[in-house]
Amino acid sequence: DAGVIQSPRHEVTEMGQEVTLRCKPISGHDYLFWYRQTMMRGLELLIYFNNNVPIDDSGMPEDRFSAKMPNASFSTLKIQPSEPRDSAVYFCASSSTPGTPRSAQYFGPGTRLLVL
Amino acid sequence: AQSVSQHNHHVILSEAASLELGCNYSYGGTVNLFWYVQYPGQHLQLLLKYFSGDPLVKGIKGFEAEFIKSKFSFNLRKPSVQWSDTAEYFCAGLGGSTLGRLYFGRGTQLTVWP
Repeated sequence: DAGVIQSPRHEVTEMGQEVTLRCKPISGHDYLFWYRQTMMRGLELLIYFNNNVPIDDSGMPEDRFSAKMPNASFSTLKIQPSEPRDSAVYFCASSSTPGTPRSAQYFGPGTRLLVL
Repeated sequence: AQSVSQHNHHVILSEAASLELGCNYSYGGTVNLFWYVQYPGQHLQLLLKYFSGDPLVKGIKGFEAEFIKSKFSFNLRKPSVQWSDTAEYFCAGLGGSTLGRLYFGRGTQLTVWP
């Protein structure tokens, strides 16, 4: 299994630009999660989907952030316009139905975003 | 509210010392618990998980954890740490009223001196 795939791995952009992060979950997983990690705030859950439907987006910082999951194998997290305080590592994770012995969240390698 | 707490922010040990990292959860009902490890510059990797049955769970790299329901705890242990265990360790819980979401502790940074 290829694991969770994220792209790009690194992104450097200027303030005001649009940033799009991409994620391909593990095949067969029906939950997908977006996290943000910074030194100051630690690991934060931004949003998660079940069967492509957003379940909880209460962690999305503000309207500049949006996430979509058009199908079971692809999700995007978009920041528009980006600001320096958005600089962080963004992780995507996926899992199969929670509460079963084989289920666990598996994380992608992350996207390191730097907004200048 | 559901939450997971980790007692130690930073633990420093010498190689071959024994390790125990504390983790407590605050919700009842069905509880599924996890420990993840994050090596410097890398993503979170699953160390071990507890769903039911034997409360002593063995994971990868010689780690184990014990679920003690009466103490709401799920502490991580390793009898003899190595320099390569230097990393950040996260405890997480799944359960309560919000199915699907993991509640993470703030993490414990472990530094092992050779």
